Amino acid sequence: AQSVTQPDIHITVSEGASLELRCNYSYGATPYLFWYVQSPGQGLQLLLKYFSGDTLVQGIKGFEAEFKRSQSSFNLRKPSVHWSDAAEYFCAVGGSSDYKLSFGAGTTVTVRA
Amino acid sequence: NAGVTQTPKFQVLKTGQSMTLQCAQDMNHEYMSWYRQDPGMGLRLIHYSVGAGITDQGEVPNGYNVSRSTTEDFPLRLLSAAPSQTSVYFCASSRTGWETQYFGPGTRLLVL
Repeated sequence: AQSVTQPDIHITVSEGASLELRCNYSYGATPYLFWYVQSPGQGLQLLLKYFSGDTLVQGIKGFEAEFKRSQSSFNLRKPSVHWSDAAEYFCAVGGSSDYKLSFGAGTTVTVRA
Repeated sequence: NAGVTQTPKFQVLKTGQSMTLQCAQDMNHEYMSWYRQDPGMGLRLIHYSVGAGITDQGEVPNGYNVSRSTTEDFPLRLLSAAPSQTSVYFCASSRTGWETQYFGPGTRLLVL
């Protein structure tokens, strides 16, 4: 069965500092990987996705993620965070055999001035 | 475009009552899905549909029914609500199964 682990429940970062959110997945074949963001009281918005090809993926809002098959990881990064990046971030995995997406438990990011 | 809309925004039910959560999209998307979000557990897939007349179970389908009679609508039915179904429910749609999913604003359900 596919699964996602986000080891960090909560991260606090200073505005302007870099951010890295960890994601480890379990999937038997080539995974489809996603990062979503949820602002308070809102639905989810896709930041980026990886299906194949270049393992460094660029997304919206200045985010990027790197797929590392050997480590079963898909970590999300941003070089310089803004106060508006405070939100909950979810990593998700799916596969080509069906359309079932499995989400991690999420990481809450707090940005301090 | 309104995108993905969900009604109601908030609902309180008593144990054993039934209700339908509505979801509609105006983007002519083939794929629609329902998730529930619980603290510390992320989102879990309840049911999904790859087109009108086609539905399938997700990770946590028990206690929920769905149907897809039109491309636009994908209602989620709770036949006999239980306190364990207290959650926030999100509907999502995408052009195909692995295109970008667009999420609705959610329905917060409290079962007493």
